[in-house]
Amino acid sequence: KQEVTQIPAALSVPEGENLVLNCSFTDSAIYNLQWFRQDPGKGLTSLLLIQSSQREQTSGRLNASLDKSSGRSTLYIAASQPGDSATYLCAAVPLESGYALNFGKGTSLLVTP
Amino acid sequence: NAGVTQTPKFQVLKTGQSMTLQCAQDMNHEYMSWYRQDPGMGLRLIHYSVGAGITDQGEVPNGYNVSRSTTEDFPLRLLSAAPSQTSVYFCASSYTPGPTGELFFGEGSRLTVL
Repeated sequence: KQEVTQIPAALSVPEGENLVLNCSFTDSAIYNLQWFRQDPGKGLTSLLLIQSSQREQTSGRLNASLDKSSGRSTLYIAASQPGDSATYLCAAVPLESGYALNFGKGTSLLVTP
Repeated sequence: NAGVTQTPKFQVLKTGQSMTLQCAQDMNHEYMSWYRQDPGMGLRLIHYSVGAGITDQGEVPNGYNVSRSTTEDFPLRLLSAAPSQTSVYFCASSYTPGPTGELFFGEGSRLTVL
């Protein structure tokens, strides 16, 4: 089974910093990799989806990259704001079974004013 | 747009009771799924459906049943609740036949089994 790991598990940064969240996966045979945001007590919101043929996707201050050969994805957040505080999860969709996302356990981000 | 709507948001059950978690989406999505989220375990797929009348098992299906009689609705049934089913349950849908497109999640149903 695809194993997805996110490092660090928690991160605290002052407002304004640029930061990188890491996601690694054990099987490079994936359809895509998705990044989600989860606020406390809420559901998941899709942030970025990178298809297996793509190297990166951008949305506003967010940029996600994908390196299938090394089994890694990064989420870059520019000029962080307190409103970015949330848990960020990555998930890979394996080719062998395109019906389930394999989720990492998330990185809990706190941006302090 | 309502998106994905889950009810109830909170529920407390006694061991052995049965109940149904409701999930409805108004986006005409073919793919719908149920996940459970547990501390230290991440999200795990329970059941999924790729269209009305079609359902299949995910990673942790034991103790749960589903049906898909319409495109809009995908209820999750607990037949005889157990404390191990205490969790937060999320319904998710996608416009693609599988989760290869953007996935839309409901806000979750928090279930406690005593």
